[in-house]
Amino acid sequence: GAGVSQSPSNKVTEKGKDVELRCDPISGHTALYWYRQSLGQGLEFLIYFQGNSAPDKSGLPSDRFSAERTGGSVSTLTIQRTQQEDSAVYLCASSRGVQRVNEQFFGPGTRLTVL
Amino acid sequence: SQQGEEDPQALSIQEGENATMNCSYKTSINNLQWYRQNSGRGLVHLILIRSNEREKHSGRLRVTLDTSKKSSSLLITASRAADTASYFCATVLLMEYGNKLVFGAGTILRVKS
Repeated sequence: GAGVSQSPSNKVTEKGKDVELRCDPISGHTALYWYRQSLGQGLEFLIYFQGNSAPDKSGLPSDRFSAERTGGSVSTLTIQRTQQEDSAVYLCASSRGVQRVNEQFFGPGTRLTVL
Repeated sequence: SQQGEEDPQALSIQEGENATMNCSYKTSINNLQWYRQNSGRGLVHLILIRSNEREKHSGRLRVTLDTSKKSSSLLITASRAADTASYFCATVLLMEYGNKLVFGAGTILRVKS
């Protein structure tokens, strides 16, 4: 597509429920990144994909967080048993590859609110 | 701890004035990028400066990089109300698998018309 898309744009859920956030990267971009941004804060790196593999999961805050990417394209970030501190904007970005120094293209984010 | 940290945290200026934001980082970098964010949503890449460059221009933007001081600055000249946004520096670390961006906490810029 023309840009990185994310869905849903907003998600309100109750504490303890599971949520799935989706990211559609720019076509042909092999690298995909997930970040979390709490209110008024900078971006916190969560996980990076190169193709379908995730060589860097170091930013996932707990085992309630997981992500997968299939077909080298769409990625899903899953948060199980959501907690109120999970409330944030979740941003996805993609870039052409990792062998070159590339800018990252960001999606509009998903605003998650856990009640 | 965060690799990049910006100052000031917030900046309020009049339209037409210049805005300067600074970024400091801790470790060696491959390059440094500046991003802009409107309304807490997606970020937009503004400019990239490589570790062997000292200054770079793009339109009304001027970025400097001082690797000896591990700092960078973003200057926006002749600011406009539409420049109101949050600005983030991101240091690029070369990992064995590729690039990793580490973002600072950002500077909130408000340009008053």
